[in-house]
Amino acid sequence: SQTIHQWPATLVQPVGSPLSLECTVEGTSNPNLYWYRQAAGRGLQLLFYSVGIGQISSEVPQNLSASRPQDRQFILSSKKLLLSDSGFYLCAWSVWGTGNTIYFGEGSWLTVV
Amino acid sequence: AQSVSQHNHHVILSEAASLELGCNYSYGGTVNLFWYVQYPGQHLQLLLKYFSGDPLVKGIKGFEAEFIKSKFSFNLRKPSVQWSDTAEYFCAVNFNYGQNFVFGPGTRLSVLP
Repeated sequence: SQTIHQWPATLVQPVGSPLSLECTVEGTSNPNLYWYRQAAGRGLQLLFYSVGIGQISSEVPQNLSASRPQDRQFILSSKKLLLSDSGFYLCAWSVWGTGNTIYFGEGSWLTVV
Repeated sequence: AQSVSQHNHHVILSEAASLELGCNYSYGGTVNLFWYVQYPGQHLQLLLKYFSGDPLVKGIKGFEAEFIKSKFSFNLRKPSVQWSDTAEYFCAVNFNYGQNFVFGPGTRLSVLP
């Protein structure tokens, strides 16, 4: 069966510091991969999605970037964090087709101080 | 643009009350429909999904949803809620089997013991 792992689960970072969140998927090939952000009391905002290695689509202009160095690895990064980057970050995956369903990782709580 | 709306921001019920959460989506061709639940401090979990066939879909934990194509709606129901149903509920739509999933803003459900 497929599993998705995301880490770290929690982190507190100072303003201006770099960020790296990692996500890996097991048990499937060539998944679509996603990064969402969930701010307190708000819905899900799609940040990036990827349909293949090195293919990244950005949904909103921002201080963050994403990379997909391997088929089942998706990384969310920032060179310099802002206070407004605080939130709950969720990695997710899906597979093309009529049974297309999106599944989420455990999430990472980021607090920028 | 494709969009998903949820009727209520916050719903408060007593245990054993019936629940109905509204979800509507913009017209966008073929749709796959989902409800996700997020318990406090946890990630999103799939409650149920509709792809085709019987428009009344049954999910986990006694939840069901009805797809009404003419109304572009996919409302979530449960005949008798429990305190453990306290969570945030998200409706999501995948349009035309694409890679993008559009989420509603979420409805917070509080069940009083």
